Amino acid sequence: GAVVSQHPSWVICKSGTSVKIECRSLDFQATTMFWYRQFPKQSLMLMATSNEGSKATYEQGVEKDKFLINHASLTLSTLTVTSAHPEDSSFYICSAQIPGWGEQFFGPGTRLTVL
Amino acid sequence: SQKIEQNSEALNIQEGKTATLTCNYTNYSPAYLQWYRQDPGRGPVFLLLIRENEKEKRKERLKVTFDTTLKQSLFHITASQPADSATYLCALAFSGGYNKLIFGAGTRLAVHP
Repeated sequence: GAVVSQHPSWVICKSGTSVKIECRSLDFQATTMFWYRQFPKQSLMLMATSNEGSKATYEQGVEKDKFLINHASLTLSTLTVTSAHPEDSSFYICSAQIPGWGEQFFGPGTRLTVL
Repeated sequence: SQKIEQNSEALNIQEGKTATLTCNYTNYSPAYLQWYRQDPGRGPVFLLLIRENEKEKRKERLKVTFDTTLKQSLFHITASQPADSATYLCALAFSGGYNKLIFGAGTRLAVHP
């Protein structure tokens, strides 16, 4: 149980285009999902907290107009990287939390490469 | 400033030995601390959670201690196996809000046959 999927697992796009990444909780409902970014050999950096039916809460330094987050249902959150640039190339990982549980369940990640 | 520090260098041990990984933090008061395992190119996998009022937690070959005075957690893997080779992340969590996690950079463990 407690499986989280992400799609796509990897994507290559041209500079200036937008990319959407989906995060789904497959066997539970997640009122809260989280989006992280991880650069090689670095820690996971929390980008934003996504709550179903409300606006996402972004961490300091994360541009909300560039990283659009939508949490339309209890099992789906999406992250759209708008006008992507090469410096946005990274490993993007989502996680979901079962209400009342402490641990987070992570998706397998999405490798984004912007040319 | 707030920091979470884990051994930055890889830990190399022999199969069968106990691996001990350290997580130190400053200027945080977490409600609980978690340990995750991450394999290359994959998302983290939850291992153990320990609360601020708990000293020790065990799960099979894993043991975690939490000293809020020293602001330190130790993560032990006994009878280590090559399959335990991975990066291990500690994460701090705080009460209130949405229980977001703050991660350390992780320690790479390599268990040699």
